Amino acid sequence: KAGVTQTPRYLIKTRGQQVTLSCSPISGHRSVSWYQQTPGQGLQFLFEYFSETQRNKGNFPGRFSGRQFSNSRSEMNVSTLELGDSALYLCASSFWGGTNTEAFFGQGTRLTVV
Amino acid sequence: GESVGLHLPTLSVQEGDNSIINCAYSNSASDYFIWYKQESGKGPQFIIDIRSNMDKRQGQRVTVLLNKTVKHLSLQIAATQPGDSAVYFCAENIAGNTPLVFGKGTRLSVIA
Repeated sequence: KAGVTQTPRYLIKTRGQQVTLSCSPISGHRSVSWYQQTPGQGLQFLFEYFSETQRNKGNFPGRFSGRQFSNSRSEMNVSTLELGDSALYLCASSFWGGTNTEAFFGQGTRLTVV
Repeated sequence: GESVGLHLPTLSVQEGDNSIINCAYSNSASDYFIWYKQESGKGPQFIIDIRSNMDKRQGQRVTVLLNKTVKHLSLQIAATQPGDSAVYFCAENIAGNTPLVFGKGTRLSVIA
């Protein structure tokens, strides 16, 4: 069974630009969560989508948004990029999301903002 | 590429010894806990989980202990191997489809 796939693996953008990252969950999984990982803050929750609906949202500004398609694939978008947005962005999929379910992570997209 | 913090607590162990990684979780209402392993350049990998109605669970070479009284979780790795070198995160979850909350992580370094 294929794992969680994130594309692209690496990305370099300049301040002010916008970026879209993609996540394909494990087949059959309906929940996709996004996390930002930085050296200073660790793994911070961005949002979770389940059956095309945003079910949970972390404490990030509105420049961070996401969506989920009917095939459970998810995208996240960051507009007006700032230097501080440089991070590893991880997505995790699970069947139901939330308690009692394992979440499986992709390898992440390394975003560098210059 | 580097994917985790530069100033994490570090545990160094000799190959073949047992490792114990500790985690203090934050919410007494959390009822599900997971340990993840993250190697450089990779996403976190699921190791083992435990629900709050248990205080111990064993996997292959790993044991997780849960002490709800003091909100403490530990991961024990038996006969630590060089391939166990990574950053280990605990994560907690409160019932009701809430997101996982991750700890800061501990870097395990295995000395051959």
